[in-house]
Amino acid sequence: DGGITQSPKYLFRKEGQNVTLSCEQNLNHDAMYWYRQDPGQGLRLIYYSQIVNDFQKGDIAEGYSVSREKKESFPLTVTSAQKNPTAFYLCASSPGTGGFTEAFFGQGTRLTVV
Amino acid sequence: GDSVTQMEGPVTLSEEAFLTINCTYTATGYPSLFWYVQYPGEGLQLLLKATKADDKGSNKGFEATYRKETTSFHLEKGSVQVSDSAVYFCALRKSDKIIFGKGTRLHILP
Repeated sequence: DGGITQSPKYLFRKEGQNVTLSCEQNLNHDAMYWYRQDPGQGLRLIYYSQIVNDFQKGDIAEGYSVSREKKESFPLTVTSAQKNPTAFYLCASSPGTGGFTEAFFGQGTRLTVV
Repeated sequence: GDSVTQMEGPVTLSEEAFLTINCTYTATGYPSLFWYVQYPGEGLQLLLKATKADDKGSNKGFEATYRKETTSFHLEKGSVQVSDSAVYFCALRKSDKIIFGKGTRLHILP
């Protein structure tokens, strides 16, 4: 089945550690996105990528890093510089850069700092 | 900058009641507009979309009309069910970014 797979579903991190969230898609989509969801805040864009080996900062990129070495993969690293990383992280993809296409979402990863 | 504003929740209704969730947007040009639904612990699913003025998106009994004159895209359903309980997000897309509202939690009582 085509779709977006995020792993793991739950992740625990000690303070001061980096952690990487996985996002893989087999939809052959060009664009991929990372959003952070906090209660009452909606979805806030962290990073997005329109093409392999290129990505742009979103509204809250500080303390995060990404890579796009393959079309189907867009991992997100939450670094120790992110002061409040506990949140629900959502990865999404869309077919292209056109303004008409919707985003397709993974099931999310819930990150908790312990 | 571009933004989406939707009514704050939670919204609590009885089964078979009429639903409206308001959404307005601020954007230059002609964005595409979307409604997404999120069930507990899951990602977002596209509910419906509209790509130009006066378009009506519809799915599973939900409808929304792209009103450029009022910059609105209100979600409606004539008779809600308990299974419609979820969080609903209004969103717009213009070029690279997709921008979401803060979400509206809907509770339907049997």
